[in-house]
Amino acid sequence: AQTVTQSQPEMSVQEAETVTLSCTYDTSENNYYLFWYKQPPSRQMILVIRQEAYKQQNATENRFSVNFQKAAKSFSLKISDSQLGDTAMYFCAFMKPNDYKLSFGAGTTVTVRA
Amino acid sequence: EAGVTQFPSHSVIEKGQTVTLRCDPISGHDNLYWYRRVMGKEIKFLLHFVKESKQDESGMPNNRFLAERTGGTYSTLKVQPAELEDSGVYFCASSQDFRGEQFFGPGTRLTVL
Repeated sequence: AQTVTQSQPEMSVQEAETVTLSCTYDTSENNYYLFWYKQPPSRQMILVIRQEAYKQQNATENRFSVNFQKAAKSFSLKISDSQLGDTAMYFCAFMKPNDYKLSFGAGTTVTVRA
Repeated sequence: EAGVTQFPSHSVIEKGQTVTLRCDPISGHDNLYWYRRVMGKEIKFLLHFVKESKQDESGMPNNRFLAERTGGTYSTLKVQPAELEDSGVYFCASSQDFRGEQFFGPGTRLTVL
């Protein structure tokens, strides 16, 4: 089974600043998918960003970018120019190719302060 | 387009009672998944439906949990009898194909007293 570790239970950031969330994972697979999901309070969990392991280029979605280090099995999420609406719990997740089960980390609660 | 919906949003029951959670996937999504987050830990996979068929229920914790998806539309997850350790947030997700993006509902928070 894959293990996904998010070592930061909570983080706080000032509006407009940058915050980086860490995620490490353990797998023997060479190809796989990595995800960051965001769940705002009492709302649906939505996909923020997705990375395919065979792609070396780090994925970017507007203010969200990842630093994918395959050898280190690290997949951190950077939120730039933080906004109040970024306040949420963020989950890192892993999926093997040709699979459908997501393996999640325990989550990081991010609070953006005005 | 409506997203994945779950009902109820919260449920508080006594140990030994029965609770049924409902999930309505996005229309046209054949794949439906149940996940659970217990005690602030990781979200864990429970099971996967393709239409009305259970493809994988390897994550179901024990036989007190019963999931159904009659007609291949909405799904229910019944816990009978509920135990204290069943408390947590139950998420439902759906996808168009099994490798596609999974769209999640807001979850049902279950508290067993």
